[in-house]
Amino acid sequence: QKEVEQDPGPLSVPEGAIVSLNCTYSNSAFQYFMWYRQYSRKGPELLMYTYSSGNKEDGRFTAQVDKSSKYISLFIRDSQPSDSATYLCAMSVSGGSYIPTFGRGTSLIVHP
Amino acid sequence: NAGVTQTPKFQVLKTGQSMTLQCAQDMNHNSMYWYRQDPGMGLRLIYYSASEGTTDKGEVPNGYNVSRLNKREFSLRLESAAPSQTSVYFCASSPADQGRDEQFFGPGTRLTVL
Repeated sequence: QKEVEQDPGPLSVPEGAIVSLNCTYSNSAFQYFMWYRQYSRKGPELLMYTYSSGNKEDGRFTAQVDKSSKYISLFIRDSQPSDSATYLCAMSVSGGSYIPTFGRGTSLIVHP
Repeated sequence: NAGVTQTPKFQVLKTGQSMTLQCAQDMNHNSMYWYRQDPGMGLRLIYYSASEGTTDKGEVPNGYNVSRLNKREFSLRLESAAPSQTSVYFCASSPADQGRDEQFFGPGTRLTVL
């Protein structure tokens, strides 16, 4: 079992939908959680990061951490075709652990 | 502010040839990384450098060498390329020494080994 599991998709939704992207993990020591977006043929770009539990919001994006369930989510409100990309989660035991563990990514397609 | 830059963007090699992938960052980060990304396999860490003067193996180091030239630059060398090394290679940097694990990635190098 990989430390971080992520459904590869593809997840296909209509424009305007609320999207939920999820990762589960097995290491209860993880406290630092990150989400990256990767467009086709580009490098991953950092979207959001959170430390420990709770929610963090940035525009249309909300990152949520449920440490009791070892489950993190990224919600995208009012999804746009420009949100079509692969979304990778990553996590580490603490800030400064140097090597985060990445999920394999979920492919999202938002169709007009 | 260019962030992380990589050269070349594309490369085709024949089996047995050598090449060096170059990476530079202008964010004053101490830590730098080399990953490969293959379909269905996600990002796999090849080597990393926690700080200038140090390098360590990652998950898949065989067939690769690295050099941390200075704080800004971190190169990846394939001494004798093999078809199994056909992949997309990403360099990244992070301010891990400041307690932050966010990584900032370059645009990637697409390598094909025939």
